Order: sequence, then C-alpha cells, then structure tokens
Amino acid sequence: AQTVTQSQPEMSVQEAETVTLSCTYDTSESDYYLFWYKQPPSRQMILVIRQEAYKQQNATENRFSVNFQKAAKSFSLKISDSQLGDAAMYFCAWGTGNQFYFGTGTSLTVIP
Amino acid sequence: KAGVTQTPRYLIKTRGQQVTLSCSPISGHRSVSWYQQTPGQGLQFLFEYFSETQRNKGNFPGRFSGRQFSNSRSEMNVSTLELGDSALYLCASGSHQETQYFGPGTRLLVL
Repeated sequence: AQTVTQSQPEMSVQEAETVTLSCTYDTSESDYYLFWYKQPPSRQMILVIRQEAYKQQNATENRFSVNFQKAAKSFSLKISDSQLGDAAMYFCAWGTGNQFYFGTGTSLTVIP
Repeated sequence: KAGVTQTPRYLIKTRGQQVTLSCSPISGHRSVSWYQQTPGQGLQFLFEYFSETQRNKGNFPGRFSGRQFSNSRSEMNVSTLELGDSALYLCASGSHQETQYFGPGTRLLVL
C-alpha cells in the first residue's frame, strides 16, 4: 500500500529549542520525491522542504532539515531554534509526477 | 508569479445540491490536483489533471468529477451533496511533476 504514517498527532516544543517530527512511508517506486508541508491555522499550506529520493544528502532549508533514511523509508523533519511562527500542522508527503500521498499530520505547538 | 487561486473561498449548500469549485494554477503549471481535507482523514487525493487529461483518480465516488481547460484552469464538481462532503477542498498545481503548490482552499459546508 502507498501510505504515509505520521505517528505523532501532536507535539510541543519550547521556543528556541529543537524538535523532530517523524514520518515513515511505503512505496514500491524507485524514483520519487518527499516533502514536508506546513499548514498554519486557517491559512494556506506551504512547502517547507523537499528531498529527491535518489539523493543521499539530506535537504536543508535554514532552520529546517530532514533525516532521510531510504532503506528504512523514514523521512523526519528537524526544526531548530523553534519560533512562535512555526506553530502549525505539518504534513509529510511523498509523490511522483501523477500522485502524491500525504500523512494525517502532526500538530506542532510552540510554547513561549 | 501569482499563486494558486481558488474560488469561491467559502460555500454553504444543502444536501442533494451540486457544487462547482474552480482552481487557477500558477502561470505555466500544467498539472492540477484536487484534495479533500477533513480533520479525521487528513488529505485525500481526488484526481489529477495534466494538459486537460485526467491522469490519476483517487478512491472517491462518481459524484466527484473534474475537468481541466486549455488554459490549465480546473473545475471540480460534486453532485448530490451529502453531509459528509463538508470539507476543505484544496487545489495544487505543479510544473516539473515533483512539487505541488497549494491554493488557499474552498471550505464547503453541507447542511
């Protein structure tokens, strides 16, 4: 089955601390992409970070980085120096050109 | 470039009615996907269009249909609305088939 599992429905982090959101996925594809999207309350879903499955090097975007373990089909997101604006629902997804599969999301609370 | 736009943003309908939602992708993007987002189910894939052709379809009943026009704009139609169709409907567009950019969504409430 082509699935994405986010085992942490809710997480919280102190402002300025680091938090890691977990994601595992299942696919038989060899060429695909992985994504983390952020959806703030009542706001638009935006792309946080993207990883090509054929690349071994983990993607980094400022305070956001991933730990991609292809053999384990694991794709976790690390947020460093957490800020109040990071509070949102985070969705993990994988996809090819035709279809994308999303997890059920992790709601992140940032505590001042 | 302007982002993905969706109209209307909010909609209230009654059971049995039909509804049409519209999505305008980012200029130059030829792929448009539709998702249904509900609190319990997360994002569920409806269908994806590329150059006016439906390339992929999710596991939704035939009441859900869509189309794409030559300018890449897409519409989604839901007929015979049910209470369970209440959701946020998201449209996403893509260019090189590896990243989707989402619109703000249309929130549909079925009474």
